[in-house]
Amino acid sequence: NAGVTQTPKFQVLKTGQSMTLQCAQDMNHNSMYWYRQDPGMGLRLIYYSASEGTTDKGEVPNGYNVSRLNKREFSLRLESAAPSQTSVYFCASNHQAGGEAFFGQGTRLTVV
Amino acid sequence: AQSVTQLGSHVSVSEGALVLLRCNYSSSVPPYLFWYVQYPNQGLQLLLKYTSAATLVKGINGFEAEFKKSETSFHLTKPSAHMSDAAEYFCAVSENYGQNFVFGPGTRLSVLP
Repeated sequence: NAGVTQTPKFQVLKTGQSMTLQCAQDMNHNSMYWYRQDPGMGLRLIYYSASEGTTDKGEVPNGYNVSRLNKREFSLRLESAAPSQTSVYFCASNHQAGGEAFFGQGTRLTVV
Repeated sequence: AQSVTQLGSHVSVSEGALVLLRCNYSSSVPPYLFWYVQYPNQGLQLLLKYTSAATLVKGINGFEAEFKKSETSFHLTKPSAHMSDAAEYFCAVSENYGQNFVFGPGTRLSVLP
């Protein structure tokens, strides 16, 4: 049972490049999330998907887009990367009634 | 809107000493509260959660937390620190069955020999 799987684990981008972070969960969870983690700021919600076919903005959505491809997969896209998007990105999922969120191992992204 | 504050970005304790990590929250409705731990270069792992049952919640690795509504607090404690407890700890609040978690800024715990 893999839980929440994120790819890639590390990535370096040049300013203006685009990329997609992939996330998949095998726990049949309804809700999925994308967070970014920056020193001293905890985790800030970028986007979330309460169920398949729906997505909503979180606290810091600017510069990002998401796709809930199916119940298992929730991708995060940076269309034109900026140095301010250098961060560690975490995907998480939970069941609507269960509460606890399960996290992936994170993607460390550097934009130069 | 819900929010979380954690007093102390860095806490140091001696091995065997009491661990106390503070968390205060604001929420317009009875909240769901969580403590997560993050070891270096890893994701977040749930320590414990409060979901309106008992106010004293026991978690993994000997940690526990007490929900105090009057103080809007959910402090994390462990009677005796171990070297393996060194990590970053995050308090989180959710208002709606665990959706849309809001995290505090985190507290880095160091355990001194």
